[in-house]
Amino acid sequence: DAMVIQNPRYQVTQFGKPVTLSCSQTLNHNVMYWYQQKSSQAPKLLFHYYDKDFNNEADTPDNFQSRRPNTSFCFLDIRSPGLGDAAMYLCATSRDQVAEGYEQYFGPGTRLTVT
Amino acid sequence: KNQVEQSPQSLIILEGKNCTLQCNYTVSPFSNLRWYKQDTGRGPVSLTIMTFSENTKSNGRYTATLDADTKQSSLHITASQLSDSASYICVVSAKTGANNLFFGTGTRLTVIP
Repeated sequence: DAMVIQNPRYQVTQFGKPVTLSCSQTLNHNVMYWYQQKSSQAPKLLFHYYDKDFNNEADTPDNFQSRRPNTSFCFLDIRSPGLGDAAMYLCATSRDQVAEGYEQYFGPGTRLTVT
Repeated sequence: KNQVEQSPQSLIILEGKNCTLQCNYTVSPFSNLRWYKQDTGRGPVSLTIMTFSENTKSNGRYTATLDADTKQSSLHITASQLSDSASYICVVSAKTGANNLFFGTGTRLTVIP
């Protein structure tokens, strides 16, 4: 039973062409995260939502935007993808703050290729 | 600076053998430490979560230890199986700060027959 679902699993886009990645969850969790993971590197947090409150990491490029229209869905928009944005994009959820010990559940990821 | 370092970067072992992966951290104030398993092309899956007061926690053939004084953790895998081949990521959570999760770069484990 998939709990964090990401679509598509593989996405190919052209340099500069906007692309949207989607994430949905069946857990009714308050917090949703977007991570970027490049080959052989640790996941890097881009931003997260605590309910409707958007929290952007200081070093996340303006090229990356996010939307959370409701509890279940969260979108990652890349306005003008560059070759350096090719990566695995991971969505994750947690019921509440992970610092309080809440489990974090990851989706399977979307592999983005920029041509 | 809050950092998480893992060693070794990669490891190859024979099926059936045991292995131990290491994680050192400088994250403060410490909240909890997690070990994740990440199969190639998949999202990480949690193996264990340990708080300050916990020294050992097991999940099947996986046993994690935590020494909060020396800020070290280990993940011991017993009787390895081919399906254990994956990256193992240590993640430390801080009690404060907007970005309070710090990821290690992982250990790539390959189990060969």
